[in-house]
Amino acid sequence: AQSVTQLGSHVSVSEGALVLLRCNYSSSVPPYLFWYVQYPNQGLQLLLKYTTGATLVKGINGFEAEFKKSETSFHLTKPSAHMSDAAEYFCAVSGSGYQKVTFGTGTKLQVIP
Amino acid sequence: GAVVSQHPSWVICKSGTSVKIECRSLDFQATTMFWYRQFPKQSLMLMATSNEGSKATYEQGVEKDKFLINHASLTLSTLTVTSAHPEDSSFYICSARDEVLRGTGELFFGEGSRLTVL
Repeated sequence: AQSVTQLGSHVSVSEGALVLLRCNYSSSVPPYLFWYVQYPNQGLQLLLKYTTGATLVKGINGFEAEFKKSETSFHLTKPSAHMSDAAEYFCAVSGSGYQKVTFGTGTKLQVIP
Repeated sequence: GAVVSQHPSWVICKSGTSVKIECRSLDFQATTMFWYRQFPKQSLMLMATSNEGSKATYEQGVEKDKFLINHASLTLSTLTVTSAHPEDSSFYICSARDEVLRGTGELFFGEGSRLTVL
């Protein structure tokens, strides 16, 4: 069984400020972890993923996330927010590349000019 | 990256009619495709897993006769909402796995289809 908890359904940051979106997971097997971004009325786009190896993963648009097994966390960060980062972000977990992917409830990021 | 195309993007229909949504993997083969439903300001709810050449696997609580899924080829899956009613109005999203990259678990998503039933 697997699940994802995203803390904070809405996060507001000022343009240029640090972005931190929190994600905790539960998985009975070593997890595959993902962050996706969704813009209004569109599908989801992969930002980054962790499968094995290096625990700090870098993605597109300057985002990165760190897999911390001891904390069962996979928080998403970006040093400096841009207006174009305003969107909905989903954390997801899978037990392997062949299993279903379970999504968190999403965090809506608002960037204030 | 791999491209998944979903059509139509928007559809408005009358209550009682049926609507078909197509999901195509344009540059890769997808043995497995997934159909999600997304309610306003909520996460994605997995409706069913579509397997090429076999019956779809539906999640608990999803009506099989209401949401017909066909996966006739390695690049096409369809979702038909039969006898649609206003409560079926939603945003439907498909996703697919690239058979070459399957081990990574990455999903490629279509653009989504907004269904409005009057």
